[in-house]
Formats: sequence, C-alpha cells, structure tokens
Amino acid sequence: DVKVTQSSRYLVKRTGEKVFLECVQDMDHENMFWYRQDPGLGLRLIYFSYDVKMKEKGDIPEGYSVSREKKERFSLILESASTNQTSMYLCASSSGRNTGELFFGEGSRLTVL
Amino acid sequence: KNQVEQSPQSLIILEGKNCTLQCNYTVSPFSNLRWYKQDTGRGPVSLTIMTFSENTKSNGRYTATLDADTKQSSLHITASQLSDSASYICVVSLNAGNMLTFGGGTRLMVKP
Repeated sequence: DVKVTQSSRYLVKRTGEKVFLECVQDMDHENMFWYRQDPGLGLRLIYFSYDVKMKEKGDIPEGYSVSREKKERFSLILESASTNQTSMYLCASSSGRNTGELFFGEGSRLTVL
Repeated sequence: KNQVEQSPQSLIILEGKNCTLQCNYTVSPFSNLRWYKQDTGRGPVSLTIMTFSENTKSNGRYTATLDADTKQSSLHITASQLSDSASYICVVSLNAGNMLTFGGGTRLMVKP
C-alpha cells in the first residue's frame, strides 16, 4: 500500500520560531510537492521537486524554503513563522514527468500564535 | 488565466439520495482531470482520473464525466452514504509537466 507520511499531524508554534515539516514517501516517486490549504482558497502550491537536491518555486513560496537531500524525503521549512502561516500543509508525491496520480499525506495542521 | 470552478460550494443531501457535483475549467492545453475526495482533517484521495479522450469513468458509486468541448466535468454519487460526507476537489492538469490547477472544492454533507 502506497504511503506518504507527514511527521506531525498538529503543531502549535510561536511567531518567529523555525518550523520543520517533514514528508516521507515509500513509492520511489521522483516528484514531491508541498501545498497549503486554506478555507475558500483551495490548495496552493508552495514548492515542488522533481529530483534529489532539486527544487522549484510554486505559486506562494514567500516565507518558505524546502530541502530534498534524499529521494524519499521532502522537508518544508518556515524560517520565522508568522501568524498568516497558520494553515493545513499537505505533502504529495507522484511519478513521471507528466503528473500521474498524486498521493497525499494526511496533512499537518500548523497554528502560529 | 487557468482556472477551475466548482459548484455548488456546499451541498446537503439525505442518505440514499443521488447528487451531482460540477467542475468547469479554462485550463489549456488540457491533459487530464481528476476528482479527489478529502475527509475532514485528512489528505485528499484520488477517485478518478480522465484524459482528454475519455468521457466517463466509474469508481464504485462514483461516476465522473468529462466534456472536453465545453470544458465541463461532473461527479455523480449514487445512493449516497454517510461516509460520502467530505470535500470533493476537481484538479486539472496542463498538457506539460506537473502543473496542476485545483478547484475550490464542494463540501458535501450526507444526513441520515
């Protein structure tokens, strides 16, 4: 059974803290994505990666960075968390250059106080 | 601008009834269209994926249709169950690479 695992389901952080969101997939997929989901706005792409050590900005990269040191792991980093980054964060993976099925993790709900 | 619009935004139906969710898109060039189901507090799970040449695809009680000429898709749920209560998201893929455009979703509530 395919699996995308996000390290934390719920996090509460304070403004200015550094936040790491980890995502691991066990399907040997080339592509990995980070989205945020907010009510009324749908899913918005933050960053994505087609290969190890490769990253591309999505639609809303400001305030975020990513790391992909290994094929199976894609990390989202908030260098200095702000209240407007309170959201549901979803990691996804897929295989191939032309996206096949996206497999999502369970999501990480981040609250920044 | 590539857009995906879903309607209605929310829907309440009684258990056992059928319903149809709509998705209109302006994405071009089109590659494929997917419907995802997202339970509250969980990640989306794929229901169907259709390419340009496919008109309909079923997955159990879920049937998706696609009219590439009018750029419309629908998701029909037959004999709804309480477990169908979720958000349903339409996602359209461009005909190159991994760029996806997400609809805002339809929130369905099935009541006993």
